[in-house]
Amino acid sequence: DGGITQSPKYLFRKEGQNVTLSCEQNLNHDAMYWYRQDPGQGLRLIYYSQIVNDFQKGDIAEGYSVSREKKESFPLTVTSAQKNPTAFYLCASSLTGSQNTEAFFGQGTRLTVV
Amino acid sequence: AQKVTQAQTEISVVEKEDVTLDCVYETRDTTYYLFWYKQPPSGELVFLIRRNSFDEQNEISGRYSWNFQKSTSSFNFTITASQVVDSAVYFCALSGDQTGANNLFFGTGTRLTVIP
Repeated sequence: DGGITQSPKYLFRKEGQNVTLSCEQNLNHDAMYWYRQDPGQGLRLIYYSQIVNDFQKGDIAEGYSVSREKKESFPLTVTSAQKNPTAFYLCASSLTGSQNTEAFFGQGTRLTVV
Repeated sequence: AQKVTQAQTEISVVEKEDVTLDCVYETRDTTYYLFWYKQPPSGELVFLIRRNSFDEQNEISGRYSWNFQKSTSSFNFTITASQVVDSAVYFCALSGDQTGANNLFFGTGTRLTVIP
């Protein structure tokens, strides 16, 4: 089936450790995104990529890093510099980066830092 | 500045009742797009509808309908004859020139609970 796969679904890490969240899509979409969702809040954009080997910071990029070496993959690293990393992380993709194309979302990764 | 307001944090209705979820937006863009997404308990966001700023026609899709009014900057979502499976968090979102490449600016969501 075509779609977006995020893994793992739940992730626990000790404070001060870097952790990488996986996002893979087989929809042949050019654009990919990472959002963060906190309780009672909307989604906030962390990073986005419109094409391979290119990515841009979103509204809350501090403490995060990404790479886009392959079209289908857009991993997100939560670094120790992220002050409050416990959250629900959603990856999305869209056919292009145009404003009128709908985004398709993965099922999310819930990260808990202890 | 972009802003999306979903004033209803939580709504509970009894099955088969109709329910309207409100969405009010602010933007300086002349061309923009409005979206509704559903987030069931499984977590992923499911796309429901996209509407561009030049198309104020209301839309109906089965039990779902959307009312877009530029005069009041609102894009409300109505579910007719609600069902338990409609229980989810619903997000309204805005995309425009100021938000950049398909950057969806989300409201805080409305949690809908349909009671059997």
